[in-house]
Amino acid sequence: QSALTQPRSVSGSPGQSVTISCTGTSSNVGYYDYVSWYQQHPDKAPKLVIYDVSQRPSGVPGRFSGSKSGNTASLTISGLQADDEADYYCCSYAGSYNLIFGGGTKLTVL
Amino acid sequence: QVQLVESGGGVVQPGRSLRLSCAASGFTFSAYDMHWVRQAPGKGLEWVALVWSDGTKKYYADSVKGRFTISRDNSKNTLSLQINSVRAEDSAVYYCAREFLTGYYYYFHYWGQGTLVTVSS
Repeated sequence: QSALTQPRSVSGSPGQSVTISCTGTSSNVGYYDYVSWYQQHPDKAPKLVIYDVSQRPSGVPGRFSGSKSGNTASLTISGLQADDEADYYCCSYAGSYNLIFGGGTKLTVL
Repeated sequence: QVQLVESGGGVVQPGRSLRLSCAASGFTFSAYDMHWVRQAPGKGLEWVALVWSDGTKKYYADSVKGRFTISRDNSKNTLSLQINSVRAEDSAVYYCAREFLTGYYYYFHYWGQGTLVTVSS
């Protein structure tokens, strides 16, 4: 299956909100509610920030939220902080024990 | 605390084989499904393989099926990835990752620091 589609980059000023989209198909994002988001700082391992479309693991700030409509999932980060600057990847279950990532989005905090 | 430490990466010639390992600690290894995820230099993440907690079931991305073998030794808390007939496109940082909750293999909760594989003649 092809990678999920994410914008290559987004940006926002401190305190603002940004939304990153993740578009798949009716065979992955549109069919399953097993969508997750990962934050990756340079030269670091990824970190899970959203699972089950909109749930936050313990320790992830409430500024991170997720949603889904049809074949598109979204990650919204409100109250942007300098440390939010990172790459963000969405991931969806695609059935038959397959998992598929998006191409990644670079978030720049201006 | 949960720790995952990968090893075994390095420079390998095309067509050769390589075995990566991941030493787990800080949790009941035998209770969790485990994954390998890779990231080519400057590129995005790619799921590679999944093995059930008891090692009985294994699943692979189409891009590696037939060349990669995931395995685990629950007595040694170790996850492995055997890579055969390596290709240039296998060059990447390879991460081992633990599932979020037992039986909830859809998500990668804990990650190792990664081990770099470079395929070059």
